[in-house]
Amino acid sequence: SAVISQKPSRDICQRGTSLTIQCQVDSQVTMMFWYRQQPGQSLTLIATANQGSEATYESGFVIDKFPISRPNLTFSTLTVSNLSPEDSSIYLCSVGGGRTDTQYFGPGTRLTVL
Amino acid sequence: AQSVTQLDSHVSVSEGTPVLLRCNYSSSYSPSLFWYVQHPNKGLQLLLKYTSAATLVKGINGFEAEFKKSETSFHLTKPSAHMSDAAEYFCVVSELFVGQGGKLIFGQGTELSVKP
Repeated sequence: SAVISQKPSRDICQRGTSLTIQCQVDSQVTMMFWYRQQPGQSLTLIATANQGSEATYESGFVIDKFPISRPNLTFSTLTVSNLSPEDSSIYLCSVGGGRTDTQYFGPGTRLTVL
Repeated sequence: AQSVTQLDSHVSVSEGTPVLLRCNYSSSYSPSLFWYVQHPNKGLQLLLKYTSAATLVKGINGFEAEFKKSETSFHLTKPSAHMSDAAEYFCVVSELFVGQGGKLIFGQGTELSVKP
């Protein structure tokens, strides 16, 4: 399985600002995914990020609020823009794909918005 | 569309007793199914996966799950609970993309407590 790191591990941000989360993988992967886990909730897919193409967003998530970059096969960023307290969540990236569909997750970024 | 229902939001067992975490799924075809575990303030760890091979799947840390198509179930079991098993468990189904990996659909999670 891939080794995945995320930065920052946690942050506290002010309302109206933005936070960019980095996801780094130790091997080249085709597909990277970004998930949100709201307090006490399950995980919800935000978007799928493929290298060299625009990210594909799930219903309820838009590019203006959650812009994603995928500059190469080992790295991706998720920005959460115009923060509000409702954005307080854990954000996780995952990698995977292929016939087995197995995804491996990063440790997550815990965001608190004041 | 695929969906996953975890039948218990919280399960409490005594150390050394069996664990049963229940999961039902809905899928229009034979799905890929997973169990992930999330310990407090930790990331998600893959426990086991079913991908249309043997219906009884063995995972890490003594966990196993049985795929029952007739019951659309994928329950997670362990013969003897350990204190370190206390965590949140997620049953997950994969929605396949053609030629690529799958979008994961997560259940709502089951919190497992283990009493000494």
